[in-house]
Amino acid sequence: GAGVSQSPRYKVAKRGQDVALRCDPISGHVSLFWYQQALGQGPEFLTYFQNEAQLDKSGLPSDRFFAERPEGSVSTLKIQRTQQEDSAVYLCASSFRTSGGETQYFGPGTRLLVL
Amino acid sequence: AQSVTQLGSHVSVSEGALVLLRCNYSSSVPPYLFWYVQYPNQGLQLLLKYTTGATLVKGINGFEAEFKKSETSFHLTKPSAHMSDAAEYFCAVSEPSGTYKYIFGTGTRLKVLA
Repeated sequence: GAGVSQSPRYKVAKRGQDVALRCDPISGHVSLFWYQQALGQGPEFLTYFQNEAQLDKSGLPSDRFFAERPEGSVSTLKIQRTQQEDSAVYLCASSFRTSGGETQYFGPGTRLLVL
Repeated sequence: AQSVTQLGSHVSVSEGALVLLRCNYSSSVPPYLFWYVQYPNQGLQLLLKYTTGATLVKGINGFEAEFKKSETSFHLTKPSAHMSDAAEYFCAVSEPSGTYKYIFGTGTRLKVLA
């Protein structure tokens, strides 16, 4: 596809449910990032993949958050036992390579609401 | 740790007036700087970026920004606002090494008045 796609676009979950958010990066992009954007805030880094390797997960808020990119393309962010504080927009971004000044291309995001 | 400060969470300008959105960063090394725009229910779209070279950077939709190292600033400007410029604008700095992840400011919502 021409850009980064994410699905679902909207997700409503009951507290305690598990959710899975999908990201399809731009074909050929090596780097993939996940960010969390709370209401009225800027995006905050969650985790980073270079191909299939998860090289940085320092931004994941708890061990309930898990991300994978098994074949170096599509990535899934999973949240177990969702809590109300997990409500946010989850943005995926990809870039062609890992280097300074590289542009990250963002998907439209998944808006998660935990009730 | 690096940080980005955007002064003014909301800015209103009249159509045709100058747009000035402020961004200051803290970085001990030369940074990579970005401005993104976010329209409602959409992802972030790159307006412009500074990596090296010319400090005045021109972007899309008539926007430009100037990197001023002495002031640690990267303010975004547009000479004449258009109604379609109403959106949220984010300034970001990239880590200088490692993953090059972005650190974002809290955003400025631009309102354009008819």
